[in-house]
Amino acid sequence: EPEVTQTPSHQVTQMGQEVILRCVPISNHLYFYWYRQILGQKVEFLVSFYNNEISEKSEIFDDQFSVERPDGSNFTLKIRSTKLEDSAMYFCASRGDSNYGYTFGSGTRLTVV
Amino acid sequence: EDQVTQSPEALRLQEGESSSLNCSYTVSGLRGLFWYRQDPGKGPEFLFTLYSAGEEKEKERLKATLTKKESFLHITAPKPEDSATYLCAAPKAAGNKLTFGGGTRVLVKP
Repeated sequence: EPEVTQTPSHQVTQMGQEVILRCVPISNHLYFYWYRQILGQKVEFLVSFYNNEISEKSEIFDDQFSVERPDGSNFTLKIRSTKLEDSAMYFCASRGDSNYGYTFGSGTRLTVV
Repeated sequence: EDQVTQSPEALRLQEGESSSLNCSYTVSGLRGLFWYRQDPGKGPEFLFTLYSAGEEKEKERLKATLTKKESFLHITAPKPEDSATYLCAAPKAAGNKLTFGGGTRVLVKP
């Protein structure tokens, strides 16, 4: 069964450092998303990406965040200057050209120290 | 504001003890209601999509139903391997981001 792959599974970074979280969506999917989940809290939407541009972003997704699809397979989330409150699980998701089946990756646990 | 609310927050069941989880939503322009299973430290795993009131979907011991205001996930004769957090989520009509509920943590004891 096709899956969304995320790397790394766990990243520890110093406050103020830049991090890049990587995702390989399902190959024929068109819509790409990043969500995050702070420990014990709801899964929260960050950003959606379609046709090589951001289609929607949440209030969380400020100037410190950016997304990129540098080639035909990867989808990345960059945090320029990490804060302690950025510590969370970050999930990438993708879907095809229908409302069916948003597929999530296993996540990257980001720990900012 | 779009809201998805799940109850109860946690559920402890004996193996074989059937129960139901609730998901109520107020999402404008709703285009479907999704149920996911999430194991600790993992991403949400897709279970069901429901599109219209009265629709039902089944998978093994799980059955999801949908009304105009809420959805139920029925767990029939659960086994310990059904222990997980069950999430419901609703996409908006425009942009199609998913709004998630807080989840129901289900623990099935042998």
